[in-house]
Amino acid sequence: DQQVKQNSPSLSVQEGRISILNCDYTNSMFDYFLWYKKYPAEGPTFLISISSIKDKNEDGRFTVFLNKSAKHLSLHIVPSQPGDSAVYFCAAIGGTSYGKLTFGQGTILTVHP
Amino acid sequence: GAGVSQTPSNKVTEKGKYVELRCDPISGHTALYWYRQSLGQGPEFLIYFQGTGAADDSGLPNDRFFAVRPEGSVSTLKIQRTERGDSAVYLCASSSLGGNYNEQFFGPGTRLTVL
Repeated sequence: DQQVKQNSPSLSVQEGRISILNCDYTNSMFDYFLWYKKYPAEGPTFLISISSIKDKNEDGRFTVFLNKSAKHLSLHIVPSQPGDSAVYFCAAIGGTSYGKLTFGQGTILTVHP
Repeated sequence: GAGVSQTPSNKVTEKGKYVELRCDPISGHTALYWYRQSLGQGPEFLIYFQGTGAADDSGLPNDRFFAVRPEGSVSTLKIQRTERGDSAVYLCASSSLGGNYNEQFFGPGTRLTVL
């Protein structure tokens, strides 16, 4: 059972425009959500996170929104830059996970100059 | 400072062989995680160490998989009688403490190919 889902395998955006990446989850025990960015041949790197007690967290060009009732979160990147082109993973954690991250399948973001 | 390192970066083996994958965590990090990423999927949890002990090994797919961390630093993931379905990128991560809210730092992974 896929507890964290990213239904869009890819997204293509023009430089300077907004990129919106979406993620849905099913496990109500999740209380902390993270976005990771991954370049080829590198490990995922942490980008931004949000606790379930918040509905928005912003860090520079990156903003994560959480809708608990819909069990949905999204990552907004604005303005998008070509260097943002990577695979983005949504991940969730909670309950007695001991730090065990549950990842979505990833979305390949391509930002065109 | 050095990040998480993993060796080898690539490993090609034949079906039925035994392989060992090594992870060197960030110095001083007490928590260490192994994940497996199959093609087109996100990383999937395998095992979590807190110090020398495996606190959660619920993600290991079967008894062909085993991991150790004898001195609480370097960890080795061992796979016996490899199968073609074991082909994946094996990722290691470490964090300063265990628990849900401490950032995990990932290594570049070992790409395992079983022929």
